This record gives sequence, C-alpha cells and structure tokens, in this order.
Amino acid sequence: QKEVEQNSGPLSVPEGAIASLNCTYSDRGSQSFFWYRQYSGKSPELIMFIYSNGDKEDGRFTAQLNKASQYVSLLIRDSQPSDSATYLCAVNLGRGSTLGRLYFGRGTQLTVWP
Amino acid sequence: SQTIHQWPATLVQPVGSPLSLECTVEGTSNPNLYWYRQAAGRGLQLLFYSVGIGQISSEVPQNLSASRPQDRQFILSSKKLLLSDSGFYLCAWSVGGNTEAFFGQGTRLTVV
Repeated sequence: QKEVEQNSGPLSVPEGAIASLNCTYSDRGSQSFFWYRQYSGKSPELIMFIYSNGDKEDGRFTAQLNKASQYVSLLIRDSQPSDSATYLCAVNLGRGSTLGRLYFGRGTQLTVWP
Repeated sequence: SQTIHQWPATLVQPVGSPLSLECTVEGTSNPNLYWYRQAAGRGLQLLFYSVGIGQISSEVPQNLSASRPQDRQFILSSKKLLLSDSGFYLCAWSVGGNTEAFFGQGTRLTVV
C-alpha cells in the first residue's frame, strides 16, 4: 500500500478564514496529486489536481506541491459553511505497473462555523 | 458527457451470502476502472483496478473478486460475505495513465 498521510483533524475554522489542509506521500516517484471533497454519505468529488511544483489556484482553492519535500497542500480562502466536508488527498504514481492507480489518504474533516 | 452508474445504493446482506455489485460507464471508451472500499473510520482503499476487458489487478488479498466482461462494465463479487466486508463501495473511472478518477454514487453494504 502506498503511503499517503493527511493531518488527522478534525479542523475547525470560522467563516471567512483560511483553511489549510496538508498531505505527505512516501513514494518519491509519484506523478500527480489530487484533492477530493467528500460530504457525509456521498462519493468523493474532485476539487483540484496538480502535477508540477508550485502553486495552482482555482477560485477560492489553491493547491501547493513540493516534490522535494513530498508534500502537497490545499488552501481554502474565505471558507464557507458549505465547505464543511472531509477532504481527501490522492496520489497517482503514474508509471510502470501502477500506472493510473490512485491512492488516498484517510482524509481531514473540516468544519466551517458561521 | 461521461457518466458512471453504480447500483444498488444500499444493500443489507447476511453473512455467507453472495454479492454482486455492478458499475457501468457511459460516454468514454477504454476507461481505467476501479473498485474502492471505504470502511468506517478508514480511508479509501483501492481493491481492484482494470485497464481493459478481462484485465484485473488486485491490490490487497481479500474475500472479493472483480471482473470486466465489457469495456465499460465492472463487477465486484463475493461468493460468501464476511462481516468485515461491510463498507461503502465506490466504483470510479479515469482515462489515461496520469489523470484524476471520477466516482459513482457508491453502494453502502452492511453485512449482518
């Protein structure tokens, strides 16, 4: 099993604050990285993906990748109560026999309170 | 546009009974297909992965099996369910080797 670790949480922030979610991965050869949001009882939905070192912004969401440190994060600006969910980090090794396989962390539960 | 169908949404089965969960994808050809399980308090665990018809890779030894009889159909089966098979089963698809996966609505299985 490929190791993908997330800060365990739960994380609680007030409305309008920045929520910071972190993820580390063990396989240095990992190629692509994804953040999913999962509401209770529902299936995960993709928020963002990032392939290259640096930042990638999409609306209120910013993904940050540092391959040297094997670290990927998600920042949610201007957090809203509707952002309350479990956030899953996923890693795709993208090579060889494991090409295309997606491995997930356990998730971080985020609560945004009004 | 691509869609993924997974059924049933919920299932309660007795220990020792068989299982068959089906997943179909529409709007794409030759997708990669996945079965994941999410047990209570645990993360998404990759169970099976398929890159084509009849090609199945198993990630972990378990009481389950998978088959891909058609390009866009993926089936998860068990001959005899165990209590530990309870969980939220998710089918997903992707295209290419390095891309995101999209999930079906999931099946919540309770083995009693």
